[in-house]
Amino acid sequence: QIVVTQEPSFSVSPGGTVTLTCGLTSGSVSTSHYPSWYQQTPGQAPRTLIYNTNTRSSGVPDRFSGSILGNKAALTITGAQADDESDYYCVLYLGSGISVFGGGTKLTVL
Amino acid sequence: VHLVESGGSEVQPGRSLRLSCAVSGFIFSDYGMHWVRQAPGKGLEWVAVISYDERNKYYADSVKGRFTISRDNSKNALYLQMNTLRPEDTAVYYCAKSPGMAPIDSWGQGTLVIVSS
Repeated sequence: QIVVTQEPSFSVSPGGTVTLTCGLTSGSVSTSHYPSWYQQTPGQAPRTLIYNTNTRSSGVPDRFSGSILGNKAALTITGAQADDESDYYCVLYLGSGISVFGGGTKLTVL
Repeated sequence: VHLVESGGSEVQPGRSLRLSCAVSGFIFSDYGMHWVRQAPGKGLEWVAVISYDERNKYYADSVKGRFTISRDNSKNALYLQMNTLRPEDTAVYYCAKSPGMAPIDSWGQGTLVIVSS
């Protein structure tokens, strides 16, 4: 069974840059997986940040960017702010209609 | 874009429940639609997807054979029929849209389903 992997937690200083990754237990992530990223704070619905690898959703600041780095998808946050402290989820499309979410990364800004 | 889920409630194990999602702000019949759930304190879990024309439907293994996704393009509505509910189905259920079968680009606010005796 293919599992989508994310760092369980990450920490960044205010103003700093952080890169979160999204991988597969088997194989490499590519644009054909349509990697997408979502931000979620407690009690709230997910908010789409990036879809289709690097397309920023409407209203998302350009501090957030998506890419493929090596064999993983990546979400980079530059100039981290206090309100970036959230859970971040990636999702990969595995084909045949099936999508799988990663376990999420809890980002702390301190 | 506006997606509003409804139908969540507390039900006993083994019972059925039907969730609905009313949409507006986009051409519903042009988009694939998903259900995604989140158990209390846990991460997001993809549940099911339906193509724009209802021809193709796919499910996570955890719900296959128990849940049925459907849509009514004339009513701009998405549904999830959940049968033989189990305690582990307890979650907030979100509807979401995507161009084609992926990726998800917009979300609703969710509806809570509690399965408990």
